Amino acid sequence: GQQVMQIPQYQHVQEGEDFTTYCNSSTTLSNIQWYKQRPGGHPVFLIQLVKSGEVKKQKRLTFQFGEAKKNSSLHITATQTTDVGTYFCAGIFGNEKLTFGTGTRLTIIP
Amino acid sequence: DAGVIQSPRHEVTEMGQEVTLRCKPISGHDYLFWYRQTMMRGLELLIYFNNNVPIDDSGMPEDRFSAKMPNASFSTLKIQPSEPRDSAVYFCASSPGTLLIYEQYFGPGTRLTVT
Repeated sequence: GQQVMQIPQYQHVQEGEDFTTYCNSSTTLSNIQWYKQRPGGHPVFLIQLVKSGEVKKQKRLTFQFGEAKKNSSLHITATQTTDVGTYFCAGIFGNEKLTFGTGTRLTIIP
Repeated sequence: DAGVIQSPRHEVTEMGQEVTLRCKPISGHDYLFWYRQTMMRGLELLIYFNNNVPIDDSGMPEDRFSAKMPNASFSTLKIQPSEPRDSAVYFCASSPGTLLIYEQYFGPGTRLTVT
């Protein structure tokens, strides 16, 4: 079936360091959404990317959608303790349902 | 807005028992989704509805699982009989329109433990 692979599975960083998580699909995506889930919480929507090569920024977060619409990345600059959580990408393969990636769990070392 | 409401928040039951999870979507949202989250399988879509009609139930694990949406403000996910491997967090989410355009709003989840 259609899958969205996400790496790394875990990332431990010192507070203030940067963080990046990557998503890859073997087939073209219609769009991709990013969600954040705090420990013990529920996924919360961050952003949606639709266009090939699209780049969007939210303060310290930068989201990119690949030119072939098969990959995406989330980069956080100068991480803070509030960034702790699991970051999921979720792609749509031409229908109306999201296929979630495996997630990257980010922990911050103060 | 109260957001997506799920009940119960925690459920502990014995193998073989029937379990019913409940969800109230955000008012005005036309789409409702049921997900299951486990460490092993991550976040899986079980079924989704559009205007109370089930559109895709290909993610429902087996016949023991069933979902209904009798009206725009209420949905249930039922497991009968329950098994220990059904232990997971079950999320309900709603969206004002197609996910090709809109995002999902997740409820707080129901943590199900089957012993």
